[in-house]
Amino acid sequence: SQQGEEDPQALSIQEGENATMNCSYKTSINNLQWYRQNSGRGLVHLILIRSNEREKHSGRLRVTLDTSKKSSSLLITASRAADTASYFCATDSNQAGTALIFGKGTTLSVSS
Amino acid sequence: DSGVTQTPKHLITATGQRVTLRCSPRSGDLSVYWYQQSLDQGLQFLIQYYNGEERAKGNILERFSAQQFPDLHSELNLSSLELGDSALYFCASSVIAGLNNEQFFGPGTRLTVL
Repeated sequence: SQQGEEDPQALSIQEGENATMNCSYKTSINNLQWYRQNSGRGLVHLILIRSNEREKHSGRLRVTLDTSKKSSSLLITASRAADTASYFCATDSNQAGTALIFGKGTTLSVSS
Repeated sequence: DSGVTQTPKHLITATGQRVTLRCSPRSGDLSVYWYQQSLDQGLQFLIQYYNGEERAKGNILERFSAQQFPDLHSELNLSSLELGDSALYFCASSVIAGLNNEQFFGPGTRLTVL
């Protein structure tokens, strides 16, 4: 079953623009992670934010977490064509140990 | 390169057959996870092993089984294959089984059942 749901499902922007993706989840979490997947390839970990954190930065990435709304957002600033990929939020699940529960992802397309 | 290796990269087989997917975790990682990615179900957790022991089960069918060996590599066995089993199968590893640990994913095995 899905825990996280990303919004929008697809996003098309121009190079240099910012991209914002949102994720909502259903149950309480210990942390929330964002992963990137280039077409048909393995997932790459981008950033992890703990439930007691509100904002985290990593390079051009900014993640926010609002546990009261059970939502998170991923902002990619100054997008590049190489950022074209699918982005997934993932949360831990109390029912499945430390396994990750993924949303369906946002497909980002950055054109030059 | 995540350091997690998976073989084979592609597998094409027929319905009713049995296949074995192999995963070698990053050096030092004790925890191995298997995930299935399909168009209709998305990314689904199947099963987790930690230092040779099964730790958690997700949406794994009874026709599927897995194990982790003493050298920490893991195998996922899929039997009585059906068309709907066609998917990308990912293995991931992490240092320990605790919370707040990122997982490192392998490149995946693409299974096609004809």
